Amino acid sequence: DTAVSQTPKYLVTQMGNDKSIKCEQNLGHDTMYWYKQDSKKFLKIMFSYNNKELIINETVPNRFSPKSPDKAHLNLHINSLELGDSAVYFCASSPNRGTLNNEQFFGPGTRLTVL
Amino acid sequence: AQSVTQLGSHVSVSEGALVLLRCNYSSSVPPYLFWYVQYPNQGLQLLLKYTTGATLVKGINGFEAEFKKSETSFHLTKPSAHMSDAAEYFCAVSGGGTSYGKLTFGQGTILTVHP
Repeated sequence: DTAVSQTPKYLVTQMGNDKSIKCEQNLGHDTMYWYKQDSKKFLKIMFSYNNKELIINETVPNRFSPKSPDKAHLNLHINSLELGDSAVYFCASSPNRGTLNNEQFFGPGTRLTVL
Repeated sequence: AQSVTQLGSHVSVSEGALVLLRCNYSSSVPPYLFWYVQYPNQGLQLLLKYTTGATLVKGINGFEAEFKKSETSFHLTKPSAHMSDAAEYFCAVSGGGTSYGKLTFGQGTILTVHP
């Protein structure tokens, strides 16, 4: 069984388009995250939700909007895509927010290419 | 504020040789430290973690890491490299508490294993 899944795995689109990436976890975790991994493999957190509540919102353009319909899902919608948005986006989940343990389980990633 | 520095973006070893991947961190609160591995075109997988207690932490695939507070280091080692260890390795720090489990990653170290 897949623990953290993301769709699509690959996404190629034109500048200016709007696209969404979906994430689902079947681990029963309360907290989910979106990370961006750039072309140099640098990983940076974008957002985090705990039980549908936004708890981390890093300095991310307003064009990026996360949505959590329930605690098992965290989607990422991107408006007016730009070339610089090309990256691999990883979803992750963890059992509780702010716990000492805080092991995060990562999805396989979505490779977004903006042309 | 937290930060992680991984010394050496590329490390190359021969099969059977010692693996040493360096990680130094900065944290204003007691850190929780993690090593993740990323195989090509895959998500991140947790290798090991340090929260409290024993400073020498053992993980999967024969890896271990030692937390040295005086040196603010958490270097990853493996006595004998295997070809299957070739991957990218990320060190990460979490402050816990009000950081809501935010993970800050280092820039990654690519490990190459030669026959």
